[in-house]
Amino acid sequence: AQSVTQLDSHVSVSEGTPVLLRCNYSSSYSPSLFWYVQHPNKGLQLLLKYTSAATLVKGINGFEAEFKKSETSFHLTKPSAHMSDAAEYFCVGSSGTYKYIFGTGTRLKVLA
Amino acid sequence: DTGVSQNPRHKITKRGQNVTFRCDPISEHNRLYWYRQTLGQGPEFLTYFQNEAQLEKSRLLSDRFSAERPKGSFSTLEIQRTEQGDSAMYLCASSLDGTGYEQYFGPGTRLTVT
Repeated sequence: AQSVTQLDSHVSVSEGTPVLLRCNYSSSYSPSLFWYVQHPNKGLQLLLKYTSAATLVKGINGFEAEFKKSETSFHLTKPSAHMSDAAEYFCVGSSGTYKYIFGTGTRLKVLA
Repeated sequence: DTGVSQNPRHKITKRGQNVTFRCDPISEHNRLYWYRQTLGQGPEFLTYFQNEAQLEKSRLLSDRFSAERPKGSFSTLEIQRTEQGDSAMYLCASSLDGTGYEQYFGPGTRLTVT
């Protein structure tokens, strides 16, 4: 069975400091992995995706993530947080069955 | 705007009433998905369609829930005899085969059962 675990339910960072949102996965197959962001009262927006090409994936708004098979991780990072990054972030897996398996989400707070 | 649209955006209903939600996917997308998201949780898969065929249903989808996608275009999700536990955000997404499983989400329909 496939599962996605987000290790932190809340993360607080100061504006201008690095962001790290952690995600581990388990899958019997080589997974496709995604990060989505959800701002209040808005739909889920795709930040980036990993689909077995390059292990370091660059996304929108300066975010990137690295697929590490040995650690079964797909952590999301950004060098410098902006106030507009405050939102809920979801790590998502898909192992070829098309349906998504969502993590429980990490709420990112950015302090001025 | 050619994204996924959902209607209504909000629905308040009394327990025991039936409700129906509509999702219009991106026009060329052949796959359509329904998810449910409760407060503080990630979305959970409910069901999905490939064209007009409903290929998978979650065990979360009780007999009170039914989904259709006539002619492989828009989809409807109906909940009969609503219960307070049905209160949630219902999300629709669509995707196109051959594009790496990437799904595009609509804004959701928030259901409140009183």
